[in-house]
Amino acid sequence: GAVVSQHPSWVICKSGTSVKIECRSLDFQATTMFWYRQFPKQSLMLMATSNEGSKATYEQGVEKDKFLINHASLTLSTLTVTSAHPEDSSFYICSPRGGTGLGEQYFGPGTRLTVT
Amino acid sequence: QQQVKQSPQSLIVQKGGISIINCAYENTAFDYFPWYQQFPGKGPALLIAIRPDVSEKKEGRFTISFNKSAKQFSLHIMDSQPGDSATYFCAAISFSGGYNKLIFGAGTRLAVHP
Repeated sequence: GAVVSQHPSWVICKSGTSVKIECRSLDFQATTMFWYRQFPKQSLMLMATSNEGSKATYEQGVEKDKFLINHASLTLSTLTVTSAHPEDSSFYICSPRGGTGLGEQYFGPGTRLTVT
Repeated sequence: QQQVKQSPQSLIVQKGGISIINCAYENTAFDYFPWYQQFPGKGPALLIAIRPDVSEKKEGRFTISFNKSAKQFSLHIMDSQPGDSATYFCAAISFSGGYNKLIFGAGTRLAVHP
Protein backbone atom coordinates (compact mmCIF):
# COMPACT_ATOMS: atom_id res chain seq x y z
CA GLY A 1 0.00 0.00 0.00
CA ALA A 2 0.87 3.66 -0.25
CA VAL A 3 2.80 5.55 2.39
CA VAL A 4 0.88 8.35 4.07
CA SER A 5 2.27 10.45 6.89
CA GLN A 6 0.61 12.83 9.32
CA HIS A 7 2.26 15.37 11.52
CA PRO A 8 2.00 15.76 14.40
CA SER A 9 0.91 12.33 15.61
CA TRP A 10 -0.49 13.91 18.72
CA VAL A 11 -0.93 17.45 19.96
CA ILE A 12 -2.24 19.16 23.06
CA CYS A 13 -3.37 22.73 22.77
CA LYS A 14 -5.18 25.27 24.88
CA SER A 15 -8.73 26.29 24.18
CA GLY A 16 -8.93 29.17 21.74
CA THR A 17 -5.70 28.41 19.91
CA SER A 18 -5.31 26.99 16.40
CA VAL A 19 -3.67 23.75 15.40
CA LYS A 20 -2.42 22.71 11.96
CA ILE A 21 -2.22 19.06 10.93
CA GLU A 22 -0.19 18.07 7.89
CA CYS A 23 -0.85 15.07 5.70
CA ARG A 24 1.61 13.89 3.08
CA SER A 25 1.25 11.14 0.52
CA LEU A 26 4.85 10.08 0.12
CA ASP A 27 4.79 7.79 -2.89
CA PHE A 28 1.75 8.67 -4.95
CA GLN A 29 -0.17 11.69 -6.11
CA ALA A 30 -3.33 12.41 -4.16
CA THR A 31 -5.79 13.97 -6.53
CA THR A 32 -8.43 13.89 -3.81
CA MET A 33 -7.99 14.23 -0.07
CA PHE A 34 -10.54 13.22 2.51
CA TRP A 35 -10.39 14.31 6.13
CA TYR A 36 -12.09 12.23 8.79
CA ARG A 37 -12.72 12.65 12.48
CA GLN A 38 -13.07 9.69 14.80
CA PHE A 39 -14.31 9.82 18.37
CA PRO A 40 -13.41 7.00 20.78
CA LYS A 41 -15.05 3.68 19.94
CA GLN A 42 -16.86 5.22 17.00
CA SER A 43 -16.62 4.98 13.25
CA LEU A 44 -14.94 7.43 10.93
CA MET A 45 -16.92 10.56 10.16
CA LEU A 46 -16.11 12.32 6.92
CA MET A 47 -15.51 16.01 7.50
CA ALA A 48 -14.54 17.30 4.08
CA THR A 49 -13.26 16.44 0.63
CA SER A 50 -10.78 18.44 -1.37
CA ASN A 51 -9.30 18.18 -4.82
CA GLU A 52 -5.84 19.50 -5.49
CA GLY A 53 -5.97 23.22 -6.12
CA SER A 54 -9.68 23.54 -5.35
CA LYS A 55 -11.70 24.60 -2.34
CA ALA A 56 -12.78 21.86 0.01
CA THR A 57 -16.34 20.57 0.15
CA TYR A 58 -17.58 20.14 3.69
CA GLU A 59 -20.06 17.59 4.96
CA GLN A 60 -23.24 18.77 6.55
CA GLY A 61 -22.70 20.00 10.07
CA VAL A 62 -18.97 20.66 9.68
CA GLU A 63 -18.03 24.31 10.08
CA LYS A 64 -15.86 25.33 7.14
CA ASP A 65 -14.56 28.41 8.95
CA LYS A 66 -13.45 26.32 11.88
CA PHE A 67 -11.80 23.48 9.98
CA LEU A 68 -9.67 25.03 7.26
CA ILE A 69 -8.44 22.63 4.62
CA ASN A 70 -5.71 23.37 2.12
CA HIS A 71 -4.79 20.98 -0.67
CA ALA A 72 -2.18 23.00 -2.49
CA SER A 73 -0.25 20.10 -4.01
CA LEU A 74 -0.71 16.48 -4.97
CA THR A 75 1.37 15.35 -2.01
CA LEU A 76 0.40 17.73 0.78
CA SER A 77 -2.84 18.69 2.49
CA THR A 78 -3.35 20.51 5.75
CA LEU A 79 -6.21 20.73 8.22
CA THR A 80 -6.23 23.70 10.58
CA VAL A 81 -8.52 23.61 13.56
CA THR A 82 -9.13 27.25 14.42
CA SER A 83 -10.14 28.51 17.84
CA ALA A 84 -10.11 24.98 19.18
CA HIS A 85 -12.44 23.96 21.98
CA PRO A 86 -12.46 20.83 24.16
CA GLU A 87 -15.25 19.33 22.04
CA ASP A 88 -12.84 19.38 19.07
CA SER A 89 -10.67 16.84 20.86
CA SER A 90 -10.66 13.83 18.58
CA PHE A 91 -8.60 11.62 16.29
CA TYR A 92 -8.17 13.25 12.88
CA ILE A 93 -7.29 11.06 9.91
CA CYS A 94 -6.44 12.12 6.40
CA SER A 95 -7.15 9.84 3.49
CA PRO A 96 -5.63 10.53 0.09
CA ARG A 97 -7.00 8.98 -3.05
CA GLY A 98 -5.05 8.66 -6.25
CA GLY A 99 -6.61 8.92 -9.64
CA THR A 100 -5.14 5.83 -11.23
CA GLY A 101 -7.84 3.29 -10.42
CA LEU A 102 -10.82 2.31 -8.37
CA GLY A 103 -10.45 1.98 -4.65
CA GLU A 104 -6.97 3.38 -4.32
CA GLN A 105 -7.72 5.27 -1.15
CA TYR A 106 -5.33 5.10 1.75
CA PHE A 107 -5.36 6.37 5.31
CA GLY A 108 -2.86 8.31 7.33
CA PRO A 109 -1.81 7.17 10.81
CA GLY A 110 -3.98 9.82 12.43
CA THR A 111 -3.43 12.79 14.72
CA ARG A 112 -4.71 12.78 18.27
CA LEU A 113 -5.83 16.28 19.23
CA THR A 114 -6.51 17.14 22.84
CA VAL A 115 -7.82 20.61 23.64
CA THR A 116 -7.54 21.64 27.28
CA GLN B 1 -30.15 4.53 1.94
CA GLN B 2 -26.50 5.53 2.18
CA GLN B 3 -26.01 3.53 5.38
CA VAL B 4 -23.98 0.41 5.85
CA LYS B 5 -25.12 -1.63 8.85
CA GLN B 6 -22.46 -3.70 10.57
CA SER B 7 -22.77 -6.42 13.19
CA PRO B 8 -21.83 -7.51 15.75
CA GLN B 9 -20.57 -4.49 17.62
CA SER B 10 -18.03 -6.64 19.44
CA LEU B 11 -16.81 -10.18 19.07
CA ILE B 12 -14.72 -12.51 21.19
CA VAL B 13 -13.13 -15.51 19.53
CA GLN B 14 -10.72 -18.13 20.77
CA LYS B 15 -7.38 -18.50 19.06
CA GLY B 16 -7.74 -20.72 16.04
CA GLY B 17 -11.44 -20.03 15.67
CA ILE B 18 -13.33 -18.31 12.86
CA SER B 19 -14.33 -14.66 13.22
CA ILE B 20 -17.34 -13.57 11.19
CA ILE B 21 -18.45 -9.95 10.75
CA ASN B 22 -21.51 -9.05 8.73
CA CYS B 23 -22.56 -5.95 6.82
CA ALA B 24 -25.70 -4.99 4.94
CA TYR B 25 -26.46 -2.13 2.59
CA GLU B 26 -29.41 -0.64 0.75
CA ASN B 27 -27.93 1.40 -2.08
CA THR B 28 -27.63 -0.83 -5.14
CA ALA B 29 -25.36 1.77 -6.74
CA PHE B 30 -22.50 0.71 -4.45
CA ASP B 31 -19.86 -0.94 -6.59
CA TYR B 32 -16.90 -1.49 -4.30
CA PHE B 33 -16.84 -2.99 -0.81
CA PRO B 34 -13.61 -2.74 1.20
CA TRP B 35 -12.83 -3.92 4.70
CA TYR B 36 -10.47 -1.97 6.92
CA GLN B 37 -8.55 -3.05 10.00
CA GLN B 38 -7.71 -0.49 12.66
CA PHE B 39 -5.48 -0.91 15.67
CA PRO B 40 -5.80 1.47 18.64
CA GLY B 41 -4.24 4.84 17.94
CA LYS B 42 -3.61 4.03 14.28
CA GLY B 43 -5.32 4.86 11.04
CA PRO B 44 -7.37 2.21 9.21
CA ALA B 45 -5.59 -0.05 6.79
CA LEU B 46 -7.18 -1.72 3.79
CA LEU B 47 -7.50 -5.43 4.47
CA ILE B 48 -9.41 -6.83 1.52
CA ALA B 49 -12.02 -5.59 -0.93
CA ILE B 50 -14.56 -7.00 -3.36
CA ARG B 51 -16.64 -5.86 -6.33
CA PRO B 52 -20.29 -6.96 -6.72
CA ASP B 53 -19.60 -9.15 -9.75
CA VAL B 54 -17.74 -11.61 -7.51
CA SER B 55 -19.34 -13.76 -4.78
CA GLU B 56 -16.19 -14.51 -2.83
CA LYS B 57 -12.65 -13.27 -2.50
CA LYS B 58 -9.94 -14.85 -0.42
CA GLU B 59 -6.61 -13.45 0.64
CA GLY B 60 -4.72 -15.62 3.07
CA ARG B 61 -6.83 -16.13 6.18
CA PHE B 62 -9.29 -13.39 5.19
CA THR B 63 -12.31 -14.06 2.99
CA ILE B 64 -15.11 -11.79 1.86
CA SER B 65 -18.42 -13.42 0.99
CA PHE B 66 -20.77 -11.27 -1.06
CA ASN B 67 -24.49 -11.84 -1.59
CA LYS B 68 -25.71 -9.33 -4.14
CA SER B 69 -29.37 -10.33 -4.03
CA ALA B 70 -29.49 -10.02 -0.25
CA LYS B 71 -27.32 -6.90 -0.31
CA GLN B 72 -25.06 -8.37 2.33
CA PHE B 73 -21.37 -9.06 2.64
CA SER B 74 -19.26 -10.55 5.35
CA LEU B 75 -15.67 -10.92 6.46
CA HIS B 76 -14.42 -14.28 7.64
CA ILE B 77 -11.12 -14.55 9.48
CA MET B 78 -9.96 -18.13 9.56
CA ASP B 79 -7.60 -19.44 12.24
CA SER B 80 -7.98 -16.21 14.20
CA GLN B 81 -4.88 -15.06 16.05
CA PRO B 82 -4.38 -12.68 19.00
CA GLY B 83 -2.66 -10.33 16.57
CA ASP B 84 -5.96 -10.02 14.70
CA SER B 85 -7.45 -8.24 17.73
CA ALA B 86 -8.49 -4.89 16.30
CA THR B 87 -11.52 -2.95 15.11
CA TYR B 88 -12.83 -3.89 11.70
CA PHE B 89 -14.86 -1.59 9.50
CA CYS B 90 -16.77 -2.56 6.42
CA ALA B 91 -17.37 0.14 3.86
CA ALA B 92 -19.07 0.74 0.56
CA ILE B 93 -18.64 3.25 -2.21
CA SER B 94 -20.31 4.08 -5.47
CA PHE B 95 -17.80 5.22 -8.04
CA SER B 96 -20.47 5.38 -10.71
CA GLY B 97 -23.37 6.75 -8.71
CA GLY B 98 -22.21 10.26 -7.97
CA TYR B 99 -21.58 10.10 -4.22
CA ASN B 100 -18.00 9.04 -4.68
CA LYS B 101 -17.15 8.64 -0.99
CA LEU B 102 -16.69 5.73 1.37
CA ILE B 103 -19.60 4.92 3.64
CA PHE B 104 -18.39 3.14 6.76
CA GLY B 105 -20.10 0.68 9.01
CA ALA B 106 -20.09 1.28 12.76
CA GLY B 107 -17.19 -1.08 13.34
CA THR B 108 -16.65 -4.39 15.13
CA ARG B 109 -14.19 -4.72 17.98
CA LEU B 110 -12.63 -8.15 17.71
CA ALA B 111 -10.77 -9.74 20.59
CA VAL B 112 -9.00 -13.03 19.98
CA HIS B 113 -8.16 -14.80 23.20
CA PRO B 114 -5.15 -17.11 23.36
